[in-house]
Amino acid sequence: GQNIDQPTEMTATEGAIVQINCTYQTSGFNGLFWYQQHAGEAPTFLSYNVLDGLEEKGRFSSFLSRSKGYSYLLLKELQMKDSASYLCAVRGVGSGNTGKLIFGQGTTLQVKP
Amino acid sequence: DAGVTQSPTHLIKTRGQHVTLRCSPISGHKSVSWYQQVLGQGPQFIFQYYEKEERGRGNFPDRFSARQFPNYSSELNVNALLLGDSALYLCASSLRTGDTDTQYFGPGTRLTVL
Repeated sequence: GQNIDQPTEMTATEGAIVQINCTYQTSGFNGLFWYQQHAGEAPTFLSYNVLDGLEEKGRFSSFLSRSKGYSYLLLKELQMKDSASYLCAVRGVGSGNTGKLIFGQGTTLQVKP
Repeated sequence: DAGVTQSPTHLIKTRGQHVTLRCSPISGHKSVSWYQQVLGQGPQFIFQYYEKEERGRGNFPDRFSARQFPNYSSELNVNALLLGDSALYLCASSLRTGDTDTQYFGPGTRLTVL
């Protein structure tokens, strides 16, 4: 089976740092994505990890440990506009599945002043 | 450059009706995937099309069907609508279907079934 787990909700303060965790149990591994989704809008691509380690992109960083089935998204210098849902997704494996993203339920982040 | 576009933005239907949703991918992208997102949940994969052929199918009933046209745009059709089909339907495009391709999402079509 395939399962992606994320916390449902998180709250953080403007200017702070927040870490959103994602754990996955999948048959095979073919890459992990993070998307940001504001209410009523489309998911927008944030990051992609396929090898272990940290990928940094401005205020956002994403980490992957394949042996632990674990990833996190780190948001620094939080801004009010970062209030959104953050979706963790793994890519399917095998013929007919590489175009399939398996999503977690998303983590709703609320940034407070 | 224009991103992924979808139409219509919103749609209200009644049970038993049929609906067609449309998607135009990013210019140069040849693959389109469809997802259903119920409120409070992550998107669920419905179909992927590449070069006009179905390349993947999720766990959805046969009431759901799709196709891709020579210009790489795509339609998602849902027959015999049920209340549970109410959701945000997202289209995503990618260059190909390879292991390194990133999917970029359109704004979605909000379907309400009454």
